[in-house]
Amino acid sequence: QVQLVESGGGVVQPGGSLRLSCAASGFAFSSYDIHWVRQAPGKGLEWVSLIRFDGNEPVYADSVQGRVTVSRDNSKDTVFLQMNSLRPEDTAVYYCAKKREGTYGSGPLDYWGQGALVTVSS
Amino acid sequence: AIQMTQSPSSLSASVGDRVTITCRASQGIRSNLGWYQQRPGKAPKLLIHTASTLQRGVPSRFSGSGSGTDFTLTISSLQPEDFATYYCLLYNNYPYTFGQGTRLEIK
Repeated sequence: QVQLVESGGGVVQPGGSLRLSCAASGFAFSSYDIHWVRQAPGKGLEWVSLIRFDGNEPVYADSVQGRVTVSRDNSKDTVFLQMNSLRPEDTAVYYCAKKREGTYGSGPLDYWGQGALVTVSS
Repeated sequence: AIQMTQSPSSLSASVGDRVTITCRASQGIRSNLGWYQQRPGKAPKLLIHTASTLQRGVPSRFSGSGSGTDFTLTISSLQPEDFATYYCLLYNNYPYTFGQGTRLEIK
């Protein structure tokens, strides 16, 4: 069955860095775009980033542009989210999610991980 | 970026009720809209994609309709497990945009 498992969350000071990982299994990983979505405590969902199936043309939300880098290792079925210059407002649960179709272009997200909590606080 | 307005923000209903949640886009998005259910402490679950297509395994009491700018999610007969928060997701282009969420509570 399809599984996505995030890891790497934790507490970091403002201005610090953190790298999240998303390990996938149960599907042809190298054929699917992977997205990151976050949710601040008690708040709604916010789309963060996309990495395409081949690792090309990553896309970022304006709120993280220039501070976040998404990458993937298709040999290890894993996606990474490198977050730098973290701010208190980046505090959230970060989810990775798989695009439903293995085709080029946008589409709904069908399977999600359980989330990794990132807390930015001094 | 296209803006999504989801309403209502909260809703109280009883088991067996029919409820409707709406999302309005600031410009036409064809049918590139999905609906998600999120229970407390859990990841979102895809219910509907392409505005009206039921995701495999989702009960048929859930339905979606609309195209262009106005979309609705309808739950025909509420079950106890349906009390959760619901989000629409616009995936017409990047950035993806979520609605603000509708918290469905037991009356």
